[in-house]
Amino acid sequence: EAQVTQNPRYLITVTGKKLTVTCSQNMNHEYMSWYRQDPGLGLRQIYYSMNVEVTDKGDVPEGYKVSRKEKRNFPLILESPSPNQTSLYFCASGDREGYGYTFGSGTRLTVV
Amino acid sequence: AQTVTQSQPEMSVQEAETVTLSCTYDTSESDYYLFWYKQPPSRQMILVIRQEAYKQQNATENRFSVNFQKAAKSFSLKISDSQLGDAAMYFCAYKASNTGKLIFGQGTTLQVKP
Repeated sequence: EAQVTQNPRYLITVTGKKLTVTCSQNMNHEYMSWYRQDPGLGLRQIYYSMNVEVTDKGDVPEGYKVSRKEKRNFPLILESPSPNQTSLYFCASGDREGYGYTFGSGTRLTVV
Repeated sequence: AQTVTQSQPEMSVQEAETVTLSCTYDTSESDYYLFWYKQPPSRQMILVIRQEAYKQQNATENRFSVNFQKAAKSFSLKISDSQLGDAAMYFCAYKASNTGKLIFGQGTTLQVKP
């Protein structure tokens, strides 16, 4: 089954404790991206990658890191999480043909 | 910079009726794609319909259709014969060709009344 798998689905952590949210896709998509969703703001792009070893900042990259060492994986790293990073996070992947992105199931992150 | 605006935070429709959700966008690109995504309470993002900017014909997927006005930079979604399962948040999104950047609007919450 074609899908984007992100883990974990729920995470509660404390301020300053490094965490990684994993994302993997099995569709051989070139594009991968991370979004955060906050009420009234829609989905805002954090980082995106157009291919292996190629990453670009989205609209809200501060406080986040990503890497794309393999085509299928695109982890999101929060080196020192803060409460303002409490949000719903989505990973997504897509192809060059503009058929839209396929989204993971989301990760609800709470930083206390 | 490209932007996407959904000016209706909430909409409601009676079951079996038709509703139209509005979306406008701003871009200087000529080659791009537009999308409508549905997010039900399960929070899963589901692609509803897509439109290629170079195609003048409006996209249609079963009960869902769009009114794409390229000159006006408008991309509305029409849902016909609304069903209770259509209740969700709907997001309009824009993607320029050959970029990985997908830009979303703020979303419209659609309520379907029985």
